[in-house]
Amino acid sequence: DAMVIQNPRYQVTQFGKPVTLSCSQTLNHNVMYWYQQKSSQAPKLLFHYYDKDFNNEADTPDNFQSRRPNTSFCFLDIRSPGLGDAAMYLCATSRDIPRRASRFYSNQPQHFGDGTRLSIL
Amino acid sequence: SQELEQSPQSLIVQEGKNLTINCTSSKTLYGLYWYKQKYGEGLIFLMMLQKGGEEKSHEKITAKLDEKKQQSSLHITASQPSHAGIYLCGGYAGNNRKLIWGLGTSLAVNP
Repeated sequence: DAMVIQNPRYQVTQFGKPVTLSCSQTLNHNVMYWYQQKSSQAPKLLFHYYDKDFNNEADTPDNFQSRRPNTSFCFLDIRSPGLGDAAMYLCATSRDIPRRASRFYSNQPQHFGDGTRLSIL
Repeated sequence: SQELEQSPQSLIVQEGKNLTINCTSSKTLYGLYWYKQKYGEGLIFLMMLQKGGEEKSHEKITAKLDEKKQQSSLHITASQPSHAGIYLCGGYAGNNRKLIWGLGTSLAVNP
């Protein structure tokens, strides 16, 4: 089945030690998203890729970076994790409309992976 | 950041009972999505609503979007333990291309 796969499911790292989370998709969707979700909170968008175009949210800390080497893969790099970065990280994909189309927003649902729960020691 | 208002925050029902979860926006929604999340897992897409007055059903779950496209409800008929989880609504409002979210409704179904 086509799906969004996140690895690892659980990641433990030390304070300040860089960590990379990965996401792959077999849906051939052109948009990929990274969300941070803390307990009892809504998912918070960190950034997204529209094809190869990187779109950072204004309030995403510089500590968070992303790479999308090809359509199928996207990585979240946390350069120096702090205790406040402990959270569930969710990857999602969607098929968005071409930007030249008249409609301003996508009407296609986002499809999520199972998430990576990050713990900081 | 702008959020959708979800109610109730949590719900405990007896198996077999019906229940409704609401999601309200202060702005017109141009797409409303319902997701289910089990603890420690990702979000599972349930249904998408776009048109005012639209209603969709899948198995025992029915979602509706009001005519003004500012309020949606998710109704579960004859609830089962498998329905337990956190239900989140997400939507596009105004000119914002970023999906905004409710805080979720935690549902427990007692056998």
